[in-house]
Amino acid sequence: KNQVEQSPQSLIILEGKNCTLQCNYTVSPFSNLRWYKQDTGRGPVSLTIMTFSENTKSNGRYTATLDADTKQSSLHITASQLSDSASYICVVESGAGSYQLTFGKGTKLSVIP
Amino acid sequence: EADIYQTPRYLVIGTGKKITLECSQTMGHDKMYWYQQDPGMELHLIHYSYGVNSTEKGDLSSESTVSRIRTEHFPLTLESARPSHTSQYLCASSEYGGSQETQYFGPGTRLLVL
Repeated sequence: KNQVEQSPQSLIILEGKNCTLQCNYTVSPFSNLRWYKQDTGRGPVSLTIMTFSENTKSNGRYTATLDADTKQSSLHITASQLSDSASYICVVESGAGSYQLTFGKGTKLSVIP
Repeated sequence: EADIYQTPRYLVIGTGKKITLECSQTMGHDKMYWYQQDPGMELHLIHYSYGVNSTEKGDLSSESTVSRIRTEHFPLTLESARPSHTSQYLCASSEYGGSQETQYFGPGTRLLVL
């Protein structure tokens, strides 16, 4: 069964600090891995998409890494801001031919002043 | 910000009522999706569409139905709402883009069935 596990479940950091969120997956065959940011009460917004051949991708202060061999990904947030408070969701797409996305439960990040 | 809209944003309704959740996008995307998300839990795909007159069930069993008569419109209907249908419903759209396809999500509809 395809699964996406994220850690930690929740995280509280001080404004200005860096943090790293983890994602482990057991999805096969692998097509791509996505990170989304979901503000409370809103729909998710795409941050990065990485295919098998990509090791890292950045979007402003967000940097995602992918190790397809160990099936792990991380999302690093640099110089956190209060507006970074949200849930960060890891999603893995299977390349099985038919549409299949497996969603993680997300990491709830709280940035405090 | 993506041009994808959902109405209503919040809905409180009694058991047994028929409801339709609206979703529309102005980006001309062929692919549209409906997800269900309980608080603190992952999104589950309940329906998707590859284009007009195409509808498919997702990996989460749902008593809802969808239709895709127009490219921009993908409504979801519950014929008889029950308390177990209480959840957040998220609509999304994307265009064909291979492995770099980006989904754009609407703001969601929070449904409470009493």
